[in-house]
Amino acid sequence: GQQLNQSPQSMFIQEGEDVSMNCTSSSIFNTWLWYKQEPGEGPVLLIALYKAGELTSNGRLTAQFGITRKDSFLNISASIPSDVGIYFCAGQESGGYSTLTFGKGTMLLVSP
Amino acid sequence: GAVVSQHPSRVICKSGTSVKIECRSLDFQATTMFWYRQFPKQSLMLMATSNEGSKATYEQGVEKDKFLINHASLTLSTLTVTSAHPEDSSFYICSAGGRGSNQPQHFGDGTRLSIL
Repeated sequence: GQQLNQSPQSMFIQEGEDVSMNCTSSSIFNTWLWYKQEPGEGPVLLIALYKAGELTSNGRLTAQFGITRKDSFLNISASIPSDVGIYFCAGQESGGYSTLTFGKGTMLLVSP
Repeated sequence: GAVVSQHPSRVICKSGTSVKIECRSLDFQATTMFWYRQFPKQSLMLMATSNEGSKATYEQGVEKDKFLINHASLTLSTLTVTSAHPEDSSFYICSAGGRGSNQPQHFGDGTRLSIL
C-alpha cells in the first residue's frame, strides 16, 4: 500500500541537541499525525495537525502541517535521554474513522 | 491516561492454538477500529478495519479466515488468530478513533504473540 517518505531513518545525537524529522507524500492529506513508539508498546500520539500551514507545539515538540498538505515536520528541542524511541508520521484523509498511512519511522537515539 | 486498552499484552502458546486479542475504547464510542501487525524494525501494517455490527474489511493479502474479527459493541473489537503457527508470531496493535474530523486515532499497547 501507499507509504509516506519519512526521513531520516535514524538519528544518534547527544543530549541537549535539537532534532528535526520530516515526512512527504505524493498525495494530499487532511490530517497529519505524529506518534512515538517505545519498545514493546503501541504508538503514542504526540501531535495532531488538522489545517494546512498549522504549527502546533507540545512541550519541547513542534510540528507543522505543510501548506501543500503533502508534508509535515517534527522538531524536538533540547533532547533528553527519554526522547529515545521510534517516531512515526501518519497521514489521514479525513476523520478518525479513516485509515492511516504511515511513514517508515525515524529511530532516535540520545546519548547522555 | 490510556484511551484504548488492549489485552493481553503478551501471549506464548503452542502451534495450532487459537488466540483472541481484545481491543477496547475506554472513554468514547468507536464504530470503527483498526488492527495492525508490526514486524521488528518496521512500520505498522494495516490488516483490517473493524466495523461495529458488520463485517470487517481486510487489506489485500490478509486471510479473513485466519484472522477473525468481531466488533460486537461500540467499545470492543476482538481479533482471533485461528490455528496459529510460528509465522503468525508478531506484534499486533489495535487503534480506535472518534467520529469527528478532529478525533485522532489512539493505539492500544499492543500484543506480543509468540507461537512455539
